[in-house]
Amino acid sequence: AQSVTQLDSQVPVFEEAPVELRCNYSSSVSVYLFWYVQYPNQGLQLLLKYLSGSTLVKGINGFEAEFNKSQTSFHLRKPSVHISDTAEYFCAASSGGGADGLTFGKGTHLIIQP
Amino acid sequence: GAGVSQTPSNKVTEKGKYVELRCDPISGHTALYWYRQSLGQGPEFLIYFQGTGAADDSGLPNDRFFAVRPEGSVSTLKIQRTERGDSAVYLCASSPDRGRTEAFFGQGTRLTVV
Repeated sequence: AQSVTQLDSQVPVFEEAPVELRCNYSSSVSVYLFWYVQYPNQGLQLLLKYLSGSTLVKGINGFEAEFNKSQTSFHLRKPSVHISDTAEYFCAASSGGGADGLTFGKGTHLIIQP
Repeated sequence: GAGVSQTPSNKVTEKGKYVELRCDPISGHTALYWYRQSLGQGPEFLIYFQGTGAADDSGLPNDRFFAVRPEGSVSTLKIQRTERGDSAVYLCASSPDRGRTEAFFGQGTRLTVV
């Protein structure tokens, strides 16, 4: 079974500064990786996903993530954050071909400070 | 509707009672998932439907939990003899198929067992 680790429960960042949210997954023959964002009082929204191909994945709202097989990581980055990026971010993994049976990390609360 | 709809948005019940949580997926989506999110945790997979059948129910914690999707659209998650530990946000998601597509999440039902 997959496991996903998000070591940082909270990440405070100043507005317009870069940010990296860390995610590590347990090794598997094949793995599909996702980042979801949850804004206050809203449902989960997909930011980006890695299924195969290029290891650098670009998503919505200026976010990107890099799949690193040797380090079993899928860290999320944004070069310049805005107040509106304040939210809970979840990394998730699946051994299947899609979004079924996702295993989520515990989440990282991104706090943007003015 | 435009998105995944879950009702009720909040449910308070007494310990030992039976509850039903409803999910209306996006029209035409054949795949439907239930997850449970406890406070401070990421969503935890419960069950996955492809059409009317439960393709994977390995995440259901015990036999007090049951879910149905009789016509391949609306799904109901049923919890018998509720316990305080069942208190959580129950999330539903749907996707067009079981392939490499995004799962769209509803806003969840917050269940509180008192």
